[in-house]
Amino acid sequence: GAGVSQSPRYKVAKRGQDVALRCDPISGHVSLFWYQQALGQGPEFLTYFQNEAQLDKSGLPSDRFFAERPEGSVSTLKIQRTQQEDSAVYLCASSSDPSGRPEQFFGPGTRLTVL
Amino acid sequence: DQQVKQNSPSLSVQEGRISILNCDYTNSMFDYFLWYKKYPAEGPTFLISISSIKDKNEDGRFTVFLNKSAKHLSLHIVPSQPGDSAVYFCAASGNNNDMRFGAGTRLTVKP
Repeated sequence: GAGVSQSPRYKVAKRGQDVALRCDPISGHVSLFWYQQALGQGPEFLTYFQNEAQLDKSGLPSDRFFAERPEGSVSTLKIQRTQQEDSAVYLCASSSDPSGRPEQFFGPGTRLTVL
Repeated sequence: DQQVKQNSPSLSVQEGRISILNCDYTNSMFDYFLWYKKYPAEGPTFLISISSIKDKNEDGRFTVFLNKSAKHLSLHIVPSQPGDSAVYFCAASGNNNDMRFGAGTRLTVKP
């Protein structure tokens, strides 16, 4: 069965480069979430979409971070002018319910390393 | 601010014994709590959840207990199996959609 997929799985960027991380949620899931997970920490909420609408972007750490989901399915998280502190695993999750309950289904993550 | 805390970074138990993982939270607006399990190079996988209207939820070998007055929840795994070895994350959410996670506890079950 198709779960949440993310690409690329690993990304190495030079400081200052722009990167784009892709998330393919489970088909039909209305809710999509992005999280950032630093080494040794739990995932931290970045942003939330309900269909194509970005309803919450309160967790985005700076204006260098931008997310979109133009057709209500695939989502892209873009980071401009990457910095070393952006190095983390970026997790995408989807849910069939707008509330994100009872559970969110996570993808395997994209590990971003900024040199 | 860390609204969800898992104070034990690691736990080691013998196969067949009980594993107890603990989690504390500070935000009284949280009304839904979850445990996720994570293997290396994979995303977190949902394990079990509990609503704030309950104090216990059981699913097979896994039981989650919620103590609202203490703002504390725990996950009991009994009997523990070597395949349970993973990192366990506690998570909580309120009436908005952002879910807060603890830092995780690495459980090792020894054969």
